[in-house]
Amino acid sequence: AQSVSQHNHHVILSEAASLELGCNYSYGGTVNLFWYVQYPGQHLQLLLKYFSGDPLVKGIKGFEAEFIKSKFSFNLRKPSVQWSDTAEYFCAARPSGGGNKLTFGTGTQLKVEL
Amino acid sequence: DAGVIQSPRHEVTEMGQEVTLRCKPISGHNSLFWYRQTMMRGLELLIYFNNNVPIDDSGMPEDRFSAKMPNASFSTLKIQPSEPRDSAVYFCASSPHVGTGELFFGEGSRLTVL
Repeated sequence: AQSVSQHNHHVILSEAASLELGCNYSYGGTVNLFWYVQYPGQHLQLLLKYFSGDPLVKGIKGFEAEFIKSKFSFNLRKPSVQWSDTAEYFCAARPSGGGNKLTFGTGTQLKVEL
Repeated sequence: DAGVIQSPRHEVTEMGQEVTLRCKPISGHNSLFWYRQTMMRGLELLIYFNNNVPIDDSGMPEDRFSAKMPNASFSTLKIQPSEPRDSAVYFCASSPHVGTGELFFGEGSRLTVL
């Protein structure tokens, strides 16, 4: 069965620390990968996505993610977090050409302390 | 432009009562999704529609759940009778067309069944 795993459920960082959130997927074929973010009191919104090409993708607000096919991973990174990055982060995947039926991970709650 | 609009934002009801959640997708979007978010299971896709037609309802938990999309601008998710285990945040999302992978989420309806 298709699945997406996020192993870090809660992460607490100080401002300016570096961030890496893990995401692993289990799919039989080619996949498209996404990171969504949900800021407190707001709706989920797309942070970045990978379809093909350069495995290092850049998103909004200084976030980036690297697709490593051999590891079935799509980890999210940011060199220096800010207090405003406090949010819940969701990794998602779908088979290429599989419509918009996304499978989401369980999410990682990030808290950035001043 | 208005985003995806959901109502009610919060609903508290007693076990056995009928619950109806409503969603207005972004105008021009032809795919609509209902997700449920819980601490234990994360974000689960319940059902999605393309051009008002239900495509995949395999995520609907059981017969107590039903969803309709009578026209391109309105969808409902109904639970009858409701049970405490249905307590969750229910998200509606829409997408401009199948294939982009980007979903636009509403702010969610938080349901508490006592």
